Amino acid sequence: AQSVTQLGSHVSVSEGALVLLRCNYSSSVPPYLFWYVQYPNQGLQLLLKYTSAATLVKGINGFEAEFKKSETSFHLTKPSAHMSDAAEYFCAVRVDTGRRALTFGSGTRLQVQP
Amino acid sequence: EAQVTQNPRYLITVTGKKLTVTCSQNMNHEYMSWYRQDPGLGLRQIYYSMNVEVTDKGDVPEGYKVSRKEKRNFPLILESPSPNQTSLYFCASSFSGGTSTDTQYFGPGTRLTVL
Repeated sequence: AQSVTQLGSHVSVSEGALVLLRCNYSSSVPPYLFWYVQYPNQGLQLLLKYTSAATLVKGINGFEAEFKKSETSFHLTKPSAHMSDAAEYFCAVRVDTGRRALTFGSGTRLQVQP
Repeated sequence: EAQVTQNPRYLITVTGKKLTVTCSQNMNHEYMSWYRQDPGLGLRQIYYSMNVEVTDKGDVPEGYKVSRKEKRNFPLILESPSPNQTSLYFCASSFSGGTSTDTQYFGPGTRLTVL
């Protein structure tokens, strides 16, 4: 079975600072990895996904993530935080089964200080 | 506009009173799924459907039912709600073609409180 661990339930950065949200996964088979963002009172929006085509994945809003198999990690980064980035971020993993269920981490709430 | 819609968005009910949360998508997706979101637990899958009349249990199916009579609709039914089903519920849909990386699109969520 696969699982996802997000280190840090809350992360606070200053506007303009680097954003780093950590995600580690465990999976016995090659995983598909996703980052979703949830703004207050809204559903989940896909930021980016790893599909094995490239280890560095670029997403929307300037975010990117790097798949590191040796570290079983898929950390999300953004060079310069913006106030509008304040939201909750979820890392998710899916293995290639019929159920297609996404296994989510517990989420990281990002605060951006002015 | 491509979207997944859920109704109602907010619901307060009492223990034992049957309720249905509707989910509809306009993207002609074969795959649909229900998740619940609880603090500190992320999202967990309740039920899913690969296509019309094809449904199966997810990780936390107890106390829930679903049906898939039409491709666009996937209602979640709580026959006898209990307080431990108080949660935020999300419906999601995607194509279920050849690729496993098909993006799942999520609805806006339904916040359910069972008293």
